[in-house]
Amino acid sequence: EDQVTQSPEALRLQEGESSSLNCSYTVSGLRGLFWYRQDPGKGPEFLFTLYSAGEEKEKERLKATLTKKESFLHITAPKPEDSATYLCAVLNTGNQFYFGTGTSLTVIP
Amino acid sequence: DSGVTQTPKHLITATGQRVTLRCSPRSGDLSVYWYQQSLDQGLQFLIQYYNGEERAKGNILERFSAQQFPDLHSELNLSSLELGDSALYFCASSVTGLTDTQYFGPGTRLTVL
Repeated sequence: EDQVTQSPEALRLQEGESSSLNCSYTVSGLRGLFWYRQDPGKGPEFLFTLYSAGEEKEKERLKATLTKKESFLHITAPKPEDSATYLCAVLNTGNQFYFGTGTSLTVIP
Repeated sequence: DSGVTQTPKHLITATGQRVTLRCSPRSGDLSVYWYQQSLDQGLQFLIQYYNGEERAKGNILERFSAQQFPDLHSELNLSSLELGDSALYFCASSVTGLTDTQYFGPGTRLTVL
């Protein structure tokens, strides 16, 4: 069965301390891998879509990369406002979405 | 503000009852998606409609049904409610298909007592 696993479950960083979040996936056929940010009590906010292994996308302090088995969300010099839960999802060729349970990121000033 | 609206924000009801959740997509978006987010199962894809037609179906229970109307708003109907149906229900919209950027609404929090 297709599935998505995110690690770590929770991450605490000092402001300016760069790190990476991992999203490992098993999928029958990948149409796309998505990263979202979710603040407490709000709907997910789209960050990136990656379509094929080797693809990279950047936005401000965030950079997403994709291999055939996993994706990384790199956060460079994070700020307190980057604190949120980061969700990873895959869309398979059967048109099904599978979400990971997220990484809760806390950036301490 | 994503431009997607959902009503009501909160809903409290009893087991066995039926409720309807409503979603208005962003202006110009033809696809609507429904998701359920619970503490124990995370975010789960339920169903997608495109321009009034069902296009993709996820883990949607038979007690749940959805539709998209000619004005593109969508409703999610939940019947014979159980305690386990308590969750946040999100609607999202996109311009066209599944690989498009999805914009999520603020959600409806359903509590079944």
